[in-house]
Order: sequence, then structure tokens, then C-alpha cells
Amino acid sequence: GESVGLHLPTLSVQEGDNSIINCAYSNSASDYFIWYKQESGKGPQFIIDIRSNMDKRQGQRVTVLLNKTVKHLSLQIAATQPGDSAVYFCAETNTGNQFYFGTGTSLTVIP
Amino acid sequence: DSGVTQTPKHLITATGQRVTLRCSPRSGDLSVYWYQQSLDQGLQFLIQYYNGEERAKGNILERFSAQQFPDLHSELNLSSLELGDSALYFCATNRPGSPLHFGNGTRLTVT
Repeated sequence: GESVGLHLPTLSVQEGDNSIINCAYSNSASDYFIWYKQESGKGPQFIIDIRSNMDKRQGQRVTVLLNKTVKHLSLQIAATQPGDSAVYFCAETNTGNQFYFGTGTSLTVIP
Repeated sequence: DSGVTQTPKHLITATGQRVTLRCSPRSGDLSVYWYQQSLDQGLQFLIQYYNGEERAKGNILERFSAQQFPDLHSELNLSSLELGDSALYFCATNRPGSPLHFGNGTRLTVT
């Protein structure tokens, strides 16, 4: 089966610093990757996505990097704010049908 | 607001009972996915429907079933409930090639 994992289960950063959340995937055929943010009591919220024909994609304060050589995905959050505290999940799909999720990284922003 | 609506928000029921969880997709989304999330766990894929037809099955117990209706809303039926079925149940919907958009889930507590 698919395996999508995260390097660190928890991450604490100072407010204003940059955060980097990492994710490893095992299926080299995966062609679409997504980052989600889940706040307490809510469903996962789409943050940013990237397709396998790209290495980098930027959004507002967030950047996703894809390294297909080592099957690694990262989410960078610039100038982390208290509202960024949440659990972050990466997801991959290779068929456009089934999505496989990592176990999540809990980000805590220290004021 | 993702546009995906799940009802009810909370359910408390006894072991052995049966419950039905409902999901209304975003306008235009034909696929509905159901996920189970236990405490501090990742998202476990249960089942997917596309335009009324079952498309993929994950780790769904035989006591669980689902369907998608002609108006594209979906229901997840959980029967012979056990304590271990207590969890958050999310539905997510999408169009082909697009990210999943999640509802805010139904929190099921089995006592």
C-alpha cells in the first residue's frame, strides 16, 4: 500500500520565524501532492498543492517544495503566526482518485 | 468554509446501535470520500463514490456501509457500534484532478 510519512510529529517555532514541515512519500508514481492544515475541531483545510512536473510552488506566506529524486515534500511557512498553530498533513495521489495522507505534524507557535 | 456540509456535528450513542452520517458535497463535485480519524491519528480512508457509483474501498469494516444518492449527497451507515468506533468521521469531495475539500466532520462517541 501507499506510505506517506512525516519526519517529525511535533514542531515548535517562535512567532515570526519560518517553519519547515517535511513529508516523505514512497510511491514514485505519485503525481499530485497537497498540504492540509487541521485546526482543533475542524476538518482539514487545503493550503497548497503541487504537481509532479514542478519543483516549487508559492502561495501567500507558504511554499511547497517537491524533490522527486528522494521522494520528499516540504511546506515552508514564512513569518509564522500564532494562527498557524495546527496539525499539518501532506497527501499524495497517483491516480487522481485515492488520496493517501501522512500521520500529521503538530505545529506550535510560541508567542 | 469549504462548502462541504456534514451532519450531525456530534453523535452520542450506545454500543450495538446504528447511526447514519450525512454529507453534502460542494456544488459541482462528483466524488465523495469518507475518512475516519481517531484521537491523535491520521486520516484513514474508508470509501469513495463517484457520481453515485462506488469507486474505491479502503479500511472499511463490514459493519459500515455507504452510498451516494442521485443528488450526490452521501450517507455513511455505521452499525453494531463498538467503543472503538468512537472517532471523527470526515467526508471530502472533489472534481477529477482537484484537491479534496473536507467538511468539519461528525464526532461519534460510542458509550
